[in-house]
Amino acid sequence: ETGVTQTPRHLVMGMTNKKSLKCEQHLGHNAMYWYKQSAKKPLELMFVYSLEERVENNSVPSRFSPECPNSSHLFLHLHTLQPEDSALYLCASSQDRSTNEKLFFGSGTQLSVL
Amino acid sequence: TQLLEQSPQFLSIQEGENLTVYCNSSSVFSSLQWYRQEPGEGPVLLVTVVTGGEVKKLKRLTFQFGDARKDSSLHITAAQPGDTGLYLCAGASSGGSNYKLTFGKGTLLTVNP
Repeated sequence: ETGVTQTPRHLVMGMTNKKSLKCEQHLGHNAMYWYKQSAKKPLELMFVYSLEERVENNSVPSRFSPECPNSSHLFLHLHTLQPEDSALYLCASSQDRSTNEKLFFGSGTQLSVL
Repeated sequence: TQLLEQSPQFLSIQEGENLTVYCNSSSVFSSLQWYRQEPGEGPVLLVTVVTGGEVKKLKRLTFQFGDARKDSSLHITAAQPGDTGLYLCAGASSGGSNYKLTFGKGTLLTVNP
């Protein structure tokens, strides 16, 4: 148990569906992240929130829309996804965004887009 | 663009054997982290190395950061099935308040009983 909980664990959706991924951290951290993990690729940082403010958006397509209503919760809203978006989506948190900060990851949501 | 190359990509060994996996880059990092990711779970941080030449030990795992802070290795002694997982290295670089972590693709280790 890392203190970061992601739901759902698995999600299958069609290209026309709208769904949301949820992440909750119980560690009192100030920074939260969304990463994408695809086969044979390094972890790709998608979004970073620090104190509920989005501080980084790594050229992610607009069909992915993050939301951070408070420092403990992070959402990733999905709409009109493509099959190549199928991947493991990992949420992480850290105390803040300073150097050498330890990341705590959730177990991820395995997403399949049909 | 900073890249981290991990080798080997796959490694399958018998219980009790020793192994070393590598993480190499042409870039200098301020620190380097090693994570282990078990099937169906997220990565879990094992260690952070900060100083060039630094060696850290975690039970049967020995981590080394290269003198030039461009590479790192992880050595496991007497591997056990519980060591099975994806080992990821991640290099940290910073400029002011902009903190960036670059991940390698990982080494998938299988330890057979």
